[in-house]
Amino acid sequence: QVQLVQSGAEVKKPGASLKVSCKASGYMFPTYAINWVRQAPGQGLEWMGWISDYNGNTKYAQKFQGRVTMTTDTSTSTAYMEVRSLRPDDTAVYYCARDLGKIVVVPTAPQSMDVWGQGTTVTVSS
Amino acid sequence: EIVLTQSPATLSLSPGGRGTLSCRASQSVSTSLAWYQQKPGQAPRLLIYDASNRATGIPARFSGSGSGTDFTLTISSLEPEDFAVYFCQQCSDWPPTFGQGTRLEIK
Repeated sequence: QVQLVQSGAEVKKPGASLKVSCKASGYMFPTYAINWVRQAPGQGLEWMGWISDYNGNTKYAQKFQGRVTMTTDTSTSTAYMEVRSLRPDDTAVYYCARDLGKIVVVPTAPQSMDVWGQGTTVTVSS
Repeated sequence: EIVLTQSPATLSLSPGGRGTLSCRASQSVSTSLAWYQQKPGQAPRLLIYDASNRATGIPARFSGSGSGTDFTLTISSLEPEDFAVYFCQQCSDWPPTFGQGTRLEIK
């Protein structure tokens, strides 16, 4: 079945970097883009960015520009998100989520997300 | 960016009742709106896309309506497993944004 499996929980100190993985299975990885969404404790959902394995295109939320990098590895059907200069307020559950529809070369609008990873809990504390 | 405002923040209903959740956009999103359900400790689950289309495997008691700036998620007869938090998301323009959520709790 179609699924996204994320890497395990992480504890980091302020200023450190983090890299979360999201391994896809059950479908052709390049045909659907991947979003990254985070959720701080007791809070709502915050979209961080989007990546297309098809052509390497990325889009980032403005607040994360320059601090977050999203990449993919087609050979392993895995998406990665790196967050640098971690702060305590980066403490959250980080999710990867697949676009509902197949990739288009030039996406004019975002999509809803139909398959989600199980989440990776990240704690940033000194 | 487009701001989504959900109401009410908390909705207290009994099993078998009818749940009506609202999502209002700060500008028109046409019908580019999705609804998600999230239970404690779980990832969100897509319920509705394009305002009124049920996602795969979603029971018929869930329905979505609306266009422009005002949207509604209706749960026709609440089952015990429906008590959860519900989020709306706009898919009209970058960046995609979410509402703050409505908690549906058992009365």
